[in-house]
Amino acid sequence: EDQVTQSPEALRLQEGESSSLNCSYTVSGLRGLFWYRQDPGKGPEFLFTLYSAGEEKEKERLKATLTKKESFLHITAPKPEDSATYLCAVRGSMEYGNKLVFGAGTILRVKS
Amino acid sequence: DVKVTQSSRYLVKRTGEKVFLECVQDMDHENMFWYRQDPGLGLRLIYFSYDVKMKEKGDIPEGYSVSREKKERFSLILESASTNQTSMYLCASSYPGGVGGYTFGSGTRLTVV
Repeated sequence: EDQVTQSPEALRLQEGESSSLNCSYTVSGLRGLFWYRQDPGKGPEFLFTLYSAGEEKEKERLKATLTKKESFLHITAPKPEDSATYLCAVRGSMEYGNKLVFGAGTILRVKS
Repeated sequence: DVKVTQSSRYLVKRTGEKVFLECVQDMDHENMFWYRQDPGLGLRLIYFSYDVKMKEKGDIPEGYSVSREKKERFSLILESASTNQTSMYLCASSYPGGVGGYTFGSGTRLTVV
């Protein structure tokens, strides 16, 4: 069974204080690892897809990296508007169709 | 701008009521999904559909059913609402094997009293 574990559950940062969120996964044949951002009371918004170990994607202050067992979402010099819940999900080769398995998320709060 | 639209943002229903949650997408996506989201548990898949009139059970289908009569519309039905079905319900859609993962709706916050 595919599984995703995210850590920490919650993270408080000062504005400008860089840090990383972790997503550990076990999957039978990775066919994609996905990062989403979710604002309170809204649906998740797609950020990145990573497919193979060593791959990296960047968007503004966010950078996602992938190894064979985990992914990191690095946040450089965060701003208060980066505050949100960040979700990680995987699609494995045993999953029918385009089914994703999600982690519980990391709640990020950035204080000015 | 592509969209997944959920008919209600907030709903309050009584125990035992039959509840319908509607989801419409305008992207011509084949796949549609219903998840529920609870604190500490993340998103859990209730049902999904990979084509019109097709449906597959997810991880927690008990107490729910779905209907997909048209490609753009996927309905979640709570046959007899119970308090443990109080949750945030999220609808999503995608192409088969979509590179961008899912496009989500804004969610429906359902409270069963």
